[in-house]
Amino acid sequence: DAKTTQPNSMESNEEEPVHLPCNHSTISGTDYIHWYRQLPSQGPEYVIHGLTSNVNNRMASLAIAEDRKSSTLILHRATLRDAAVYYCIPDQAGTALIFGKGTTLSVSS
Amino acid sequence: ETGVTQSPTHLIKTRGQQVTLRCSSQSGHNTVSWYQQALGQGPQFIFQYYREEENGRGNFPPRFSGLQFPNYSSELNVNALELDDSALYLCASSSYLRYGYTFGSGTRLTVV
Repeated sequence: DAKTTQPNSMESNEEEPVHLPCNHSTISGTDYIHWYRQLPSQGPEYVIHGLTSNVNNRMASLAIAEDRKSSTLILHRATLRDAAVYYCIPDQAGTALIFGKGTTLSVSS
Repeated sequence: ETGVTQSPTHLIKTRGQQVTLRCSSQSGHNTVSWYQQALGQGPQFIFQYYREEENGRGNFPPRFSGLQFPNYSSELNVNALELDDSALYLCASSSYLRYGYTFGSGTRLTVV
């Protein structure tokens, strides 16, 4: 199984960009990297996923290192609603998502 | 899209009892996964069903079992409840893993 390492917590101010790092040095060549987030008292929510190249959607951007051993989720302008636990998950050949402990992001006004 | 609906939202059971949790998948989704989330922890994978067949299981004992029905709704059954089974149980559905999972809001189970 691909192991991930994320910081336990990060802090940001509103309107500032946030870069959430993830190391996944044992990822295999075909594993996609998924990011989910979980707001308080809710189920996890899909954020973004990618394989090799950088990806953008309306929520965030995903920057994947050339060697694929790490990735960074980028929130371009943090809002209070972005305060959540963020999970980085290699999908292990298309099987079920295996969550780690994630990074708790705090956003201050 | 109707999203994923779980019922009940909260439940209290006594140790040794059995419980059934229910999940209605998002329309068009044929894969459902169940997760257990203890307080302060990330969700732990229990098992996954694809077109009514179990196709993956995490490190949970056999007293955790499930079903997926032809309409792709699903049940999680837990027998012989233990105090440590107290947790938030999450259901997630997908048409294909790499298109993303949609999660329900969960069922909060308390075993006393």
